Amino acid sequence: EAGVAQSPRYKIIEKRQSVAFWCNPISGHATLYWYQQILGQGPKLLIQFQNNGVVDDSQLPKDRFSAERLKGVDSTLKIQPAKLEDSAVYLCASSQGQGGYTFGSGTRLTVV
Amino acid sequence: GNSVTQMEGPVTLSEEAFLTINCTYTATGYPSLFWYVQYPGEGLQLLLKATKADDKGSNKGFEATYRKETTSFHLEKGSVQVSDSAVYFCALSNFGNEKLTFGTGTRLTIIP
Repeated sequence: EAGVAQSPRYKIIEKRQSVAFWCNPISGHATLYWYQQILGQGPKLLIQFQNNGVVDDSQLPKDRFSAERLKGVDSTLKIQPAKLEDSAVYLCASSQGQGGYTFGSGTRLTVV
Repeated sequence: GNSVTQMEGPVTLSEEAFLTINCTYTATGYPSLFWYVQYPGEGLQLLLKATKADDKGSNKGFEATYRKETTSFHLEKGSVQVSDSAVYFCALSNFGNEKLTFGTGTRLTIIP
């Protein structure tokens, strides 16, 4: 079984620029998550999708972050404009229920 | 709200030493509890889990017991190896909502 695919692996941008991350979940997994992991902290949920609908986006900074999951398969997370404090690893995960999570390797974003 | 408190690191042990990483939690209801591991340069991997009180999760020589009376889920291993060097995260989720709440992580280094 293929894992959760994420790209790019690394990204360096200047503050106020925009950036987008892509995630392709495991085939058949209805639920998709984006987590933000700041250095030295545990991952924090940004947004949770069930198929192509949003279940929880309460921690998503909506003034600058957006995410979509068209057709209920792959997903894109965008930041516009980026701030220095957005430097983090962005993890995508998918599941088919009851803690059966699979995480991708993440995208490491550095904002300078 | 939910929260997870982990033993602060970093933790450095000699090979074959006994390992304990403490984890306590605050949650409504009866959460499921998890330990995830993150090896250098890799994504998060589920190490073990327990879904109800007194359950013991185990994998690769690691164990953790769900203690409802002390709201704890401490990770233990009887004899650590160099290959166990990684960052370990304790996490929980509530039944019916798979959102994971993570602790801050404990970096473990095993020296030969």
